[in-house]
Amino acid sequence: TQLLEQSPQFLSIQEGENLTVYCNSSSVFSSLQWYRQEPGEGPVLLVTVVTGGEVKKLKRLTFQFGDARKDSSLHITAAQPGDTGLYLCAGVRGGSNYKLTFGKGTLLTVNP
Amino acid sequence: GAGVSQSPSNKVTEKGKDVELRCDPISGHTALYWYRQSLGQGLEFLIYFQGNSAPDKSGLPSDRFSAERTGGSVSTLTIQRTQQEDSAVYLCASSLQLGGISYEQYFGPGTRLTVT
Repeated sequence: TQLLEQSPQFLSIQEGENLTVYCNSSSVFSSLQWYRQEPGEGPVLLVTVVTGGEVKKLKRLTFQFGDARKDSSLHITAAQPGDTGLYLCAGVRGGSNYKLTFGKGTLLTVNP
Repeated sequence: GAGVSQSPSNKVTEKGKDVELRCDPISGHTALYWYRQSLGQGLEFLIYFQGNSAPDKSGLPSDRFSAERTGGSVSTLTIQRTQQEDSAVYLCASSLQLGGISYEQYFGPGTRLTVT
């Protein structure tokens, strides 16, 4: 059983479209992180959300942490080809501030 | 400054052989982590080092897997008697650790291991 479920697994859209990626769990996390990974490279941290209900914006990317700290979403506005990549959510559970539990990821392709 | 580096970038080995994967963390990062990324399982935690000691080895899948870290820097992940299910990308990450708090993990590019 996957602790963090990400959906959709694959997403192919046209440049300019909006999209949302979801990360859901039945467990509570003390914090949740979003990463982007490109082929042949390791994941790169985009954002960390800590407080239930928290919303963070990073240019065209909006991240939200659920009120109960069990789920999160990533919304991209006006997607661009440079947004193409594997988006991963990762949670940290109470008692460990280092051990990341990852979802399986959403592979996003933005076509020009 | 230099990021996390890993070597080799690709390794092809025959089933039953031993392999060693190397990680050079960012200078000054006392915490080091190994993860495995495979198509079916996603990214899985393997082991965590605090300095040269490994207080959390809970993710190592079997006793064929071991890791060590020397001088608070370089780490080596060793897989003995490799099996085809060991084929994956092995990622290393490092982070600062202050007052018991681990900060952002910086990942290396990974080593792609293929067991034939």
